Amino acid sequence: GAGVSQSPSNKVTEKGKDVELRCDPISGHTALYWYRQSLGQGLEFLIYFQGNSAPDKSGLPSDRFSAERTGGSVSTLTIQRTQQEDSAVYLCASSLVEGMNTEAFFGQGTRLTVV
Amino acid sequence: GDSVTQMEGPVTLSEEAFLTINCTYTATGYPSLFWYVQYPGEGLQLLLKATKADDKGSNKGFEATYRKETTSFHLEKGSVQVSDSAVYFCALSDGNNAGNMLTFGGGTRLMVKP
Repeated sequence: GAGVSQSPSNKVTEKGKDVELRCDPISGHTALYWYRQSLGQGLEFLIYFQGNSAPDKSGLPSDRFSAERTGGSVSTLTIQRTQQEDSAVYLCASSLVEGMNTEAFFGQGTRLTVV
Repeated sequence: GDSVTQMEGPVTLSEEAFLTINCTYTATGYPSLFWYVQYPGEGLQLLLKATKADDKGSNKGFEATYRKETTSFHLEKGSVQVSDSAVYFCALSDGNNAGNMLTFGGGTRLMVKP
């Protein structure tokens, strides 16, 4: 596609429910990143995919968070048993990993509100 | 670990005023440095970047110079416009972990009044 696409754009869920957030990266981009943007925490790195594998999961805040990527393309971030502190904007980015200064392209994010 | 510190906002300026948003960083290696901008209702966009010491990144009238001696990458613009109102994020990538993972500063909201 023309850019990184995320869905849904907004999600309101009840505390304790599971949610799935989807990211469609730019076609041909092998690297995919998830970040979280929340008040008071700024932009936090969550997880990185190179192809379908995730060499770095260090940013996932708890075992309620998981992510997968299939076919080297679409990625899904799943949050189980959501808590109010999970409320944030979840951003996805993709890039061609050909060097340290490769530009990352961001989607518009999914705004998650846990009530 | 890596970190980025930028001035807290909001920064409120009148149109045509001079803008500086300070950014300093801590990194283990020789990072690449970036400024991203988030306009209201839009996603993060790369504004400019610099990949080595003394490089100057520039775009849309904005400039930032990679200063290794002061570990800084301050963003400047000589004459801001109302359309520059946005949140600006300084970031670095050191290439040592997670591919090109970015470490971001906290963001600075700029408001430009006519």
